[in-house]
Amino acid sequence: GENVEQHPSTLSVQEGDSAVIKCTYSDSASNYFPWYKQELGKGPQLIIDIRSNVGEKKDQRIAVTLNKTAKHFSLHITETQPEDSAVYFCAASKADNQGGKLIFGQGTELSVKP
Amino acid sequence: DTGVSQDPRHKITKRGQNVTFRCDPISEHNRLYWYRQTLGQGPEFLTYFQNEAQLEKSRLLSDRFSAERPKGSFSTLEIQRTEQGDSAMYLCASSLGAGSTGEKLFFGSGTQLSVL
Repeated sequence: GENVEQHPSTLSVQEGDSAVIKCTYSDSASNYFPWYKQELGKGPQLIIDIRSNVGEKKDQRIAVTLNKTAKHFSLHITETQPEDSAVYFCAASKADNQGGKLIFGQGTELSVKP
Repeated sequence: DTGVSQDPRHKITKRGQNVTFRCDPISEHNRLYWYRQTLGQGPEFLTYFQNEAQLEKSRLLSDRFSAERPKGSFSTLEIQRTEQGDSAMYLCASSLGAGSTGEKLFFGSGTQLSVL
């Protein structure tokens, strides 16, 4: 079955710096790759996603890149702010046109120091 | 609030007792998913429904676990004869299941289960 590996497990940056989180997946049939942000005591919140027919997607300070050949995808956060501090999860799915179950990575705890 | 709603938020029970959780998905969302999350880990898939049909169950879902979605709207997850290893956050998510954004999963805040 699908396996998703995520690195690093913890990441500490200074406010204003960039943060990069990387994931690899095992199933070449996976075609949908979302990223979630989870704050303490809350459920995961979808922040950005990308489909396999796209190499890069950007939304303000957040961007995701996908390398299908290498089965890698990454989250980039620029100009980090203290409110970006949270646990971030990548996920992969073999989505049909009605969606599909997500397989999650282990999470990255991001700390942004003011 | 039109998001995914889960009840209760917290549940403390003694080993051997049965517990039931409820999830109300976003209105008109056809797919409903249950996940389990332990401290420091990513959510693990348990099962999902397309309307009232349960389409897939993980091997993690032992025979002590049962999930239903009788009318294709809300869902319940029951755990019988709870064990200490069942202690976790149980997350529910829903997706529209159609159209260009059908695969986006939206999560509730979860039910935190503690088995003493």
